[in-house]
Amino acid sequence: AQSVAQPEDQVNVAEGNPLTVKCTYSVSGNPYLFWYVQYPNRGLQFLLKYITGDNLVKGSYGFEAEFNKSQTSFHLKKPSALVSDSALYFCAHKPGNTPLVFGKGTRLSVIA
Amino acid sequence: DTEVTQTPKHLVMGMTNKKSLKCEQHMGHRAMYWYKQKAKKPPELMFVYSYEKLSINESVPSRFSPECPNSSLLNLHLHALQPEDSALYLCASSQLPAGGTDTQYFGPGTRLTVL
Repeated sequence: AQSVAQPEDQVNVAEGNPLTVKCTYSVSGNPYLFWYVQYPNRGLQFLLKYITGDNLVKGSYGFEAEFNKSQTSFHLKKPSALVSDSALYFCAHKPGNTPLVFGKGTRLSVIA
Repeated sequence: DTEVTQTPKHLVMGMTNKKSLKCEQHMGHRAMYWYKQKAKKPPELMFVYSYEKLSINESVPSRFSPECPNSSLLNLHLHALQPEDSALYLCASSQLPAGGTDTQYFGPGTRLTVL
């Protein structure tokens, strides 16, 4: 089955350090991959997506993600974490003409 | 502008009540979605409307009844809910119903509590 996996339930990082939230995919054909962030008691906010082209995708709030075909990964990164980045992060993919399929989510805690 | 609005923000209802959730977008999107999200879990798809017609129903119980009065509005009518239906209900929209690369934009959600 086509899916995305987020291997970490929780990621802790110190403020100012680089952060990485991992996502791997198992998708046949061209993968259409997305990252969303959800702050407490809020809806999902779109961060970025990979469709085709440049493997490094830049998104909102200083986030970027690198599409790696050989490792079937699409990790979310930020050079310097902020306390305000603490939230729940979802990787997702769009299998063809169907709605988004989400990973289980990773909770990011940035510690001051 | 990529705004999807939802009302109300919070809703508490008894198991015999009838209530409705409302979602609105003015981005000209032709696909609209309802998701249910339990705490610390990913959203689960409930319904999809494409060009104001129901295109996907993920085997949702009939106590949830969606409605799309026009291309900008999406309602979710609730009747005889159970306590386990308590969750965050998210609305989303996207430009093209069948767009493989299309971005879904989400509203802030309605926090529903069923007593």
